[in-house]
Amino acid sequence: SAVISQKPSRDICQRGTSLTIQCQVDSQVTMMFWYRQQPGQSLTLIATANQGSEATYESGFVIDKFPISRPNLTFSTLTVSNMSPEDSSIYLCSARPSGGEQYFGPGTRLTVT
Amino acid sequence: EDQVTQSPEALRLQEGESSSLNCSYTVSGLRGLFWYRQDPGKGPEFLFTLYSAGEEKEKERLKATLTKKESFLHITAPKPEDSATYLCAVHVNDYKLSFGAGTTVTVRA
Repeated sequence: SAVISQKPSRDICQRGTSLTIQCQVDSQVTMMFWYRQQPGQSLTLIATANQGSEATYESGFVIDKFPISRPNLTFSTLTVSNMSPEDSSIYLCSARPSGGEQYFGPGTRLTVT
Repeated sequence: EDQVTQSPEALRLQEGESSSLNCSYTVSGLRGLFWYRQDPGKGPEFLFTLYSAGEEKEKERLKATLTKKESFLHITAPKPEDSATYLCAVHVNDYKLSFGAGTTVTVRA
């Protein structure tokens, strides 16, 4: 299993600013992921954070808007850049340590005003 | 295109009233089907992974089954603490999960 923590747990930001979300896993993992959950909706994958290489983004998500860092096997950051109210969501970090299980962090609730 | 459909959208149960949630999928090359529980304001909590048709897994009052086209999550004699949104997701390739919209279960005492 894996225990995942995220910082901050929530934030209220002004449009045009940026927020960096941190994700820490309690064990080394190869694969880390960032998801978005918009109000009342299910989860959508933003990108896969690869250690030692650039993140792989899903259709509709770009690096300039959501830059990701993955400096080691236990840590990743997601930045939401130049925010607008449409970016208000819960952002979730996820990791797949081994075998067939994938775990999620508690999420970061972002409100953009 | 891969599709995951969950039904019903919402389910209201009396305590002790067993029921089932459905997750139907249309994917090529299923590599795993995941079930999660999500409480309001929290991240999804991993429940099960199923890999092949006929496989079953159990945890307390929950039992997940898998066929070639769908998965069921059976809740036996539910309690109010089983109230949550249950999410189904399929793993097709590159460890990516595609999620269904979820079923919100409310269990009344």
